[in-house]
Amino acid sequence: EIVLTQSPGTLSLSPGERATLSCRASQSVGSNYLVWYQQKPGQAPRLLIHGASIRATGIPDRFSGSGSGTDFTLTISRLEPEDFAVYYCQQYGDSPPYTFGQGTKLEIK
Amino acid sequence: QVQLQQSGPGLVKPSQTLSLTCAISGDSVSSNSAAWNWIRQSPSRGLEWLGRTYYRSRWYYTYAVSLKSRITVSPDTSKNQFSLQLNSVTPDDTAVYYCAAGIRGLFDSWGQGTLVTVSS
Repeated sequence: EIVLTQSPGTLSLSPGERATLSCRASQSVGSNYLVWYQQKPGQAPRLLIHGASIRATGIPDRFSGSGSGTDFTLTISRLEPEDFAVYYCQQYGDSPPYTFGQGTKLEIK
Repeated sequence: QVQLQQSGPGLVKPSQTLSLTCAISGDSVSSNSAAWNWIRQSPSRGLEWLGRTYYRSRWYYTYAVSLKSRITVSPDTSKNQFSLQLNSVTPDDTAVYYCAAGIRGLFDSWGQGTLVTVSS
């Protein structure tokens, strides 16, 4: 089972700033099958990025994903007030189990 | 866009069976391209994938190893929905349970979530 470790646990930034979130895998993620989700209180996770770098439908271009192998990054270029939430990475593919990182909370400074 | 609507009780007694249902609109549970999953979220475990079912000329079922003896995910083609049953629950099974649709573990549609508390 692939273990995903996200850092930092909490990131305190101001609107307009750039956010960089990290996700490290315990072993290589095949075909870069790495997803990023955004979750707000009381809501289900929302798909942002799949295939490590492909934005999902309707996701603003201030969100970008990068990385390969075991190291992945989610970048939000200029934070908007609605971007403050918890972000999770997850690995997927043909064979479960599908595992999630523990999350990074992005909070307003 | 697939929409998922969950239903089921929010309180289950220890040792009993947790049962939830997820109604599908915008797709068919018998689709040859989708898979139907259950995921839970708790402060202690985070997000945890539980199991799935999908149809590719026949029905397939895959479960998390840690739950394999207690979990069943079942399709209901007559109602276009799928369900979760988790037997012999303990307080450790207290969580928000989500149904989710997606291919190969890429979850692009989620239900609204159901908080299930295991308590006497």
